[in-house]
Amino acid sequence: GAVVSQHPSWVICKSGTSVKIECRSLDFQATTMFWYRQFPKQSLMLMATSNEGSKATYEQGVEKDKFLINHASLTLSTLTVTSAHPEDSSFYICSARGGGSSGNTIYFGEGSWLTVV
Amino acid sequence: GENVEQHPSTLSVQEGDSAVIKCTYSDSASNYFPWYKQELGKRPQLIIDIRSNVGEKKDQRIAVTLNKTAKHFSLHITETQPEDSAVYFCAASQGGNKLVFGAGTILRVKS
Repeated sequence: GAVVSQHPSWVICKSGTSVKIECRSLDFQATTMFWYRQFPKQSLMLMATSNEGSKATYEQGVEKDKFLINHASLTLSTLTVTSAHPEDSSFYICSARGGGSSGNTIYFGEGSWLTVV
Repeated sequence: GENVEQHPSTLSVQEGDSAVIKCTYSDSASNYFPWYKQELGKRPQLIIDIRSNVGEKKDQRIAVTLNKTAKHFSLHITETQPEDSAVYFCAASQGGNKLVFGAGTILRVKS
């Protein structure tokens, strides 16, 4: 199946700093990628839909100025957590819809553990 | 928007027994229903999916059924094994766009 790679897999940052997480589709082009956040023992909550070449679409309650999303190419979307605070500590995971024979199948990246201290 | 409810939240079964997890969705426009298995700290792994043009799909010990009229779909795992223990999520979407997930089910298979 299609491969989605996410980097870094874990990161620790100081409160007030910014952190960038990358999501890449390795063997297919993804015009749309999705960013989710998952707190411990909870489900995946969609944060935003990343659209190549245009602005991301944010879900209700997600601050677009805090969670900056850039989808500058067909294989890369980035999520930047700005002015991170301890409550932003979470598992962030991206996904992309596979093209071609994969049809509507959605593939997930490995996820990124963010700890803000 | 779409709302997906999943039950039960936890499920314990004896090895070799069957496990059934049920989900309901609210948006009749949803037409793609995947099931994911997630182990702690790892990405969700797609285990089976079904599209709205079929009512049932099977892959070895795993099957999914879909009732469009009632807007519910279920995951069936037969002959459960300890390695089936994980968190399972159902999801719904329109045409493979953004997925709306259920709350998850912790499955424990006791040997």
